[in-house]
Amino acid sequence: EAGVVQSPRYKIIEKKQPVAFWCNPISGHNTLYWYRQNLGQGPELLIRYENEEAVDDSQLPKDRFSAERLKGVDSTLKIQPAELGDSAVYLCASSLDSGASGANVLTFGAGSRLTVL
Amino acid sequence: AQSVTQLDSQVPVFEEAPVELRCNYSSSVSVYLFWYVQYPNQGLQLLLKYLSGSTLVESINGFEAEFNKSQTSFHLRKPSVHISDTAEYFCAVSVRGSQGNLIFGKGTKLSVKP
Repeated sequence: EAGVVQSPRYKIIEKKQPVAFWCNPISGHNTLYWYRQNLGQGPELLIRYENEEAVDDSQLPKDRFSAERLKGVDSTLKIQPAELGDSAVYLCASSLDSGASGANVLTFGAGSRLTVL
Repeated sequence: AQSVTQLDSQVPVFEEAPVELRCNYSSSVSVYLFWYVQYPNQGLQLLLKYLSGSTLVESINGFEAEFNKSQTSFHLRKPSVHISDTAEYFCAVSVRGSQGNLIFGKGTKLSVKP
């Protein structure tokens, strides 16, 4: 079984440029998460989807970040325009359970490392 | 608000030595506890979890962690480490009924030397 697939693995852009990350979760996993991991820190949640609905986007900087999961499967995370402080690893994860209990196990992709110059 | 503290950012040990990676959490409500491991150039993988029942939980590769409610700790231990255990280990907590939002610690890099 394929795991969570993310692309690109690495991206270097200049500030003010746009960038997009793509995630394909494990087949059958209805819940999808985007996390950001800054250097030397643990991952922090940006947004969580239940199917195609964003049920928690309270930590997503909405002035420049956007995300979508149109058919409840693949998802994209976009930054426009990028700033120096956006340099980080962007992690996608999925889980089988709906997440209502808090006990579900997340499967993470390898991440997309963004460097903004 | 919940938080997770991993007291050691780096832990170097020799092969076959015992190791303990410390994790403390703060929460005023009941929580679930997790340890995730990240090998170089790979995504985070679940190592073990505490949901309920026995406070001692084990992984398939010899790690164990014990939930200590009075000390709000969930330390990870292994009696004899291997070179292949070299990785970054993240402790995480989620609040029961919180819609699964994990809060991670900053991670501990375990380096096992021959």
